[in-house]
Amino acid sequence: NAGVTQTPKFQVLKTGQSMTLQCAQDMNHEYMSWYRQDPGMGLRLIHYSVGAGITDQGEVPNGYNVSRSTTEDFPLRLLSAAPSQTSVYFCASSLTGTGENTGELFFGEGSRLTVL
Amino acid sequence: GQNIDQPTEMTATEGAIVQINCTYQTSGFNGLFWYQQHAGEAPTFLSYNVLDGLEEKGRFSSFLSRSKGYSYLLLKELQMKDSASYLCAVIDSNYQLIWGAGTKLIIKP
Repeated sequence: NAGVTQTPKFQVLKTGQSMTLQCAQDMNHEYMSWYRQDPGMGLRLIHYSVGAGITDQGEVPNGYNVSRSTTEDFPLRLLSAAPSQTSVYFCASSLTGTGENTGELFFGEGSRLTVL
Repeated sequence: GQNIDQPTEMTATEGAIVQINCTYQTSGFNGLFWYQQHAGEAPTFLSYNVLDGLEEKGRFSSFLSRSKGYSYLLLKELQMKDSASYLCAVIDSNYQLIWGAGTKLIIKP
């Protein structure tokens, strides 16, 4: 059972370039989300999805797009990379999300992105 | 605003007991998580509290007082592998997760 798989693990971009971080889960989880983690700060939610075809913005959505065409996949697109987007990105999934029957989050291994 | 406070760093000795505190000021409360995160790795689930009191799970226990906006994670019989960051996260009234910055725990032999 692979759990949550993120690719790539490391990426260096130049300012203005675009890229997609891939995330896939094989646990049939309805809820998927993307976080960024920066030193000295808590995890910050970028975008999330409660099911295929449904996405919503989190706390820091600017500069990022997502789509959810299948239950398994939830890619994160950086439209025009900026140095402020240098961070570690985590994809996370949950059976029930953060609704009334909140379940634990399962995280991918993380993607370390540097924007020069 | 919403806020979760945890100590930035703590040091403890192998075999000892350590308590990591988490205080929160959030718009409502629907539960509290503790996660463990080793350096360079993903967070992994440790515990979930929604009612007041102590939840014990092996060497780890988590306590919650909703009236005080306070939780702690208690780690007993510390092992070197417990060196990690411990993240506190609260579910607010809108069912959004609010994360603390984490406490880095250093275990010395």
